[in-house]
Amino acid sequence: GAVVSQHPSRVICKSGTSVKIECRSLDFQATTMFWYRQFPKQSLMLMATSNEGSKATYEQGVEKDKFLINHASLTLSTLTVTSAHPEDSSFYICSAAAGSGETQYFGPGTRLLVL
Amino acid sequence: LAKTTQPISMDSYEGQEVNITCSHNNIATNDYITWYQQFPSQGPRFIIQGYKTKVTNEVASLFIPADGKSSTLSLPRVSLSDTAVYYCLVGGEQAGTALIFGKGTTLSVSS
Repeated sequence: GAVVSQHPSRVICKSGTSVKIECRSLDFQATTMFWYRQFPKQSLMLMATSNEGSKATYEQGVEKDKFLINHASLTLSTLTVTSAHPEDSSFYICSAAAGSGETQYFGPGTRLLVL
Repeated sequence: LAKTTQPISMDSYEGQEVNITCSHNNIATNDYITWYQQFPSQGPRFIIQGYKTKVTNEVASLFIPADGKSSTLSLPRVSLSDTAVYYCLVGGEQAGTALIFGKGTTLSVSS
């Protein structure tokens, strides 16, 4: 299957700083990528839909100014957690599909810990 | 997007066949059914995808009745390494359709 990577795999930062997470589709182009957040022992929660060349679409309750998404190319989407706080500590996962009707493939996730 | 219902947990022993059923009563005509497996601290891994018919690959089978309102993931001869959370999702064929995750089924395989 298609491969999606994320970087970094884990990051620890101080409260108030910003953290950027990259999501790359390695062997296919993805017009649309998705960002999820997962808290311990819970399911994945969709945060936003990232569209190449346009603004991301955020789910209700997700602050667009706090979680900045940039989808500058067909193989890269970035999620920046601005002014991170301890409650932002979570497991962030991205996914991408090659096109219509195509299976979505998920990245390995990024563990964020805000101290 | 169709809501799915799965058992919260299942227990099995090594070597047994495990069948996990998912209900999706409001599935749309063009919706695919996809199953993912997730281990702790990893992203979901694609297992199998189907559309109105039975599908089989090297790791699992997916059974879908004619009305499409449910599906069953069949894992033959499970091993300890199959202990994971399994998610059933339904989604349209159009690009840009996000997958909405339910609670999933936690499968525990014992020796």
